[in-house]
Amino acid sequence: DIVMTQTPLSSPVTLGQPASISCRSSQSLEHSDGNTYLSWLQQRPGQPPRLLIYKISNRFSGVPDRFSGSGAGTDFTLKISRVEAEDVGIYYCMQATQIPYTFGQGTKLEIK
Amino acid sequence: EVQLVESGGGLVKPGGSLRLSCAASGFTFSSYSLSWVRQAPGKGLEWVSYISSGSSYIYYADSVKGRFTISRDNAQKSVYLQMNSLRAEDTAVYYCASEDLEKGNAFDIWGQGTMVTVSS
Repeated sequence: DIVMTQTPLSSPVTLGQPASISCRSSQSLEHSDGNTYLSWLQQRPGQPPRLLIYKISNRFSGVPDRFSGSGAGTDFTLKISRVEAEDVGIYYCMQATQIPYTFGQGTKLEIK
Repeated sequence: EVQLVESGGGLVKPGGSLRLSCAASGFTFSSYSLSWVRQAPGKGLEWVSYISSGSSYIYYADSVKGRFTISRDNAQKSVYLQMNSLRAEDTAVYYCASEDLEKGNAFDIWGQGTMVTVSS
């Protein structure tokens, strides 16, 4: 199974400041079809997860442009350019390159 | 409105069974693969099972293989998870999520979840 490791596990951030979450996979997520099936999800308190980013860097419909994704191979990053109060929650990376699909442990974003 | 609505959760004794349902609306259900994902209390997300749009491909996590069965009825726009031989460690919120192939199998639509508690 592909193991997804996120850092940090907790990120206290000041409103208006940037935040960055790293996700590393135990093997390359590049599929034989040339795509990399890495996505980022946000889970606000008491809510189901919500898709933010798919295929490394594509923002899902309705996601603010302060969210961006980057990376390749085994190393990926989610960045929030200026954190807002509504961004509080847990962020997960997920790989869908290989069954079983696997998630990172989650990174809790909190406001300082 | 595009949505998935899960139902069927509840309290069950160890060794018991439950059948979860997930009803879709607002999108072309028959064109999408779906997965069940669970989240134990206070824990992270765990993928459980996958079914392709036409039910040709079905996969399970090792933790549920042989005990859970996924199925779907495209006419009813529903996907199901039959859970047998339930264990305490199956206690979790169970979400169904649709996968968009054009978005790299990303889970673009999630239900609100249904809680399953396995306890004597």
